[in-house]
Amino acid sequence: QVQLVESGGGLVKPGGSLRLSCAASGFSFSDYYISWIRQAPGKGLEWVSYISSGSSYTNYADSVKGRFTISRDNAKNSLFLEMNSLRDEDTAVYYCATGLAAAGTLEYWGQGTLVTVSS
Amino acid sequence: EIVLTQSPATLSLSPGERATLSCRASQTVRSYLAWYQQKPGQAPRLLIYDASNRATGIAARFSGSGSGTDFTLTISSLEPEDFAVYYCQQRDNWPWTFGQGTKVEIK
Repeated sequence: QVQLVESGGGLVKPGGSLRLSCAASGFSFSDYYISWIRQAPGKGLEWVSYISSGSSYTNYADSVKGRFTISRDNAKNSLFLEMNSLRDEDTAVYYCATGLAAAGTLEYWGQGTLVTVSS
Repeated sequence: EIVLTQSPATLSLSPGERATLSCRASQTVRSYLAWYQQKPGQAPRLLIYDASNRATGIAARFSGSGSGTDFTLTISSLEPEDFAVYYCQQRDNWPWTFGQGTKVEIK
């Protein structure tokens, strides 16, 4: 079955950096777009970034553009999110998610990893 | 950016009742609209994609309709496990966006 497992979250000071990972299994990872979605405590969902199957296309929310970088390693069935210049407002649960039917439809989600930005 | 406005913010209903949730887009999203259910402490779950297609394994009591700017999620008869927060989401234009959510609570 499809499984997505995030890791790398934690407590970081404002201005700091963190790298999130997402390990995928149960499907042909290299064939599909995959995304990062976040949810601040008690708030709604925000699409952070996506990357195409072969890494040719990426896109970012304006709120993270220039600070976050999405990447993937198809040989290792892994997705990454490099987060720099972190701000208080980046505090959230970060989910990786993918859709086998269409790039922007999220059929499968990980359990999420919590990133807390605080001094 | 396309803004999705969901209404009502909260829906108070009893098990067995019909739930009707609305999602309005600030500009057309054609039929590229999905609905998700989220329970506390869990990741969202896809219910409906492309406005009216049920995702794999989703019960028939969930149905979606609409196109352009106005969409509806209907739960024909609420089961106890359906009390949750529901989000709509568009994939017609980047940034792909979510609505703010509708909470369906037990009356």
